[in-house]
Amino acid sequence: KNQVEQSPQSLIILEGKNCTLQCNYTVSPFSNLRWYKQDTGRGPVSLTIMTFSENTKSNGRYTATLDADTKQSSLHITASQLSDSASYICVVSASNDYKLSFGAGTTVTVRA
Amino acid sequence: GAGVSQSPRYKVAKRGQDVALRCDPISGHVSLFWYQQALGQGPEFLTYFQNEAQLDKSGLPSDRFFAERPEGSVSTLKIQRTQQEDSAVYLCASSLTPGQGRSYEQYFGPGTRLTVT
Repeated sequence: KNQVEQSPQSLIILEGKNCTLQCNYTVSPFSNLRWYKQDTGRGPVSLTIMTFSENTKSNGRYTATLDADTKQSSLHITASQLSDSASYICVVSASNDYKLSFGAGTTVTVRA
Repeated sequence: GAGVSQSPRYKVAKRGQDVALRCDPISGHVSLFWYQQALGQGPEFLTYFQNEAQLDKSGLPSDRFFAERPEGSVSTLKIQRTQQEDSAVYLCASSLTPGQGRSYEQYFGPGTRLTVT
């Protein structure tokens, strides 16, 4: 079973609107959680990183939250732009492993 | 360039052909990873190098897959006798340090899209 589950699988929003993506994980012992943005035909690029003690982190119009007790994270996109159309992948790192655990991603399509 | 580069970006192979995919990591990065990404899925771990040593190849799906990094920089992923199920995007990532923690980050290349016909 995948240790990182994301929802929804995909979503379509109108330009200027907000949206929230969800990530649940079971990775343990937890080290950090990153949200990556992957444009079509490109490799993933890190947007935010949060460790156990951090519960929110912003990067421009992207705001990530983390609840380490419930093992849930969210990525909120504010005032979406066409360039936000991409796949957003939740990636969790265990403190005793160099391997990363990837979610399947949420595909966001922003329409004018 | 400053980032991870991969070549070719696209490869079409006939079933049964051998292919070689190249990864140029960020200069000075100790760790190098190969991933396989199916359409609509997150990357799946294939193998890990620390300098020239292949420390983990547990994700390689079969003995048709082989990876090397002979001088601790450029890496090649070779797939012999390609099958249709090998069609995927192959991502390479590198990191400065071999460890974990907040400063540990993997930087990804653009990937090679392999299509086996």
